[in-house]
Amino acid sequence: GENVEQHPSTLSVQEGDSAVIKCTYSDSASNYFPWYKQELGKRPQLIIDIRSNVGEKKDQRIAVTLNKTAKHFSLHITETQPEDSAVYFCAARLQGAQKLVFGQGTRLTINP
Amino acid sequence: GAVVSQHPSRVICKSGTSVKIECRSLDFQATTMFWYRQFPKKSLMLMATSNEGSKATYEQGVEKDKFLINHASLTLSTLTVTSAHPEDSSFYICSARDTPRGAGAYEQYFGPGTRLTVT
Repeated sequence: GENVEQHPSTLSVQEGDSAVIKCTYSDSASNYFPWYKQELGKRPQLIIDIRSNVGEKKDQRIAVTLNKTAKHFSLHITETQPEDSAVYFCAARLQGAQKLVFGQGTRLTINP
Repeated sequence: GAVVSQHPSRVICKSGTSVKIECRSLDFQATTMFWYRQFPKKSLMLMATSNEGSKATYEQGVEKDKFLINHASLTLSTLTVTSAHPEDSSFYICSARDTPRGAGAYEQYFGPGTRLTVT
């Protein structure tokens, strides 16, 4: 089955700097890659997603890139703000499958 | 976006009792719902996939007789933790899949979670 690896497990950046979180997946049949943000004690919230027919997607300060050949995708947050502090999860879903396979999570801390 | 509710948000029960957790899709019909368990500072562990009107599909290592799942309608799925023990204490989160838009184009929305403490 699909396996998703996420790095780093923790990331600390200065406010205003950029943050990058990377994920790799094992099954080339995966075609949907969402990113979720989870604040402490709260539900995971979908922040951006990308499908395998595109290489990059951007939404204001957040962007996701996908390299299908290398089987990795990354989350980029620019001009970070304190409210970006949270745990971020990447996930992948096989084409035709129902379930998402999640990465281990990255705890992002934005230092003021 | 789509809204998923979960009830209760917190529950404390005694060892040996059963607890039911409800997951509802409020503004869309969810043919598929998912139940996850999350340990502190850990990732989401999928327990089972619940399809409306059919038996749930459990992940390897999850006891179906202990974690009973019922998905009787397009807006409600329930998880019952039977004969709960302290090791069942955890954060349980459901999610629901919305209606496909095009080939496989659907998103998954999470409920707010239920913190179960078994004493």
